[in-house]
Amino acid sequence: ETGVTQTPRHLVMGMTNKKSLKCEQHLGHNAMYWYKQSAKKPLELMFVYNFKEQTENNSVPSRFSPECPNSSHLFLHLHTLQPEDSALYLCASSQESASGSSYEQFFGPGTRLTVL
Amino acid sequence: QKEVEQNSGPLSVPEGAIASLNCTYSDRVSQSFFWYRQYSGKSPELIMSIYSNGDKEDGRFTAQLNKASQYVSLLIRDSQPSDSATYLCAVNIFNTGGFKTIFGAGTRLFVKA
Repeated sequence: ETGVTQTPRHLVMGMTNKKSLKCEQHLGHNAMYWYKQSAKKPLELMFVYNFKEQTENNSVPSRFSPECPNSSHLFLHLHTLQPEDSALYLCASSQESASGSSYEQFFGPGTRLTVL
Repeated sequence: QKEVEQNSGPLSVPEGAIASLNCTYSDRVSQSFFWYRQYSGKSPELIMSIYSNGDKEDGRFTAQLNKASQYVSLLIRDSQPSDSATYLCAVNIFNTGGFKTIFGAGTRLFVKA
């Protein structure tokens, strides 16, 4: 595997289900991100993990719970979602410098989530 | 003022023409600038990175950066129908707590055959 991979690619779930999205990066980067992209809307940053520590949480509802066990893996745990949470969920990774400035982000293919 | 602004378009150009996409940003200390291409239903794909003033060319793509005027642009020469996509500008902006990358809303480009 190369680059950034995400599984599953498509997910349909009911509002009472619990599911997890998985992301893995094979680029040796030290920062990973979760984004949400709703239809015809810009990218929304959800979570950032830098050196395995969460450094950003843009007021995301608690029904989304991230987990970063190491610098190569990132999970997004989902529970009691709402239909408006249906979107494309994108994972990305980048290399951050010691000053905090980041280089290019590389994206995975995304998970298309539908909440019924 | 938004931190990164792009005209949402759509920008329509005939095949073979030059497409010019523009982006302005608010933070004077920004150092890193990126252009991504996103096809409908797909994830963003990095096209170009630019870090210093001037032009940077890669094949049919040229990124232009003017830090004094706080804008970055992307030129696509000899536009092809396959270039039809949404182009996202991203800027590494300094904020409380450090740098973070901010994406613009994107400009939709249509290249007519």
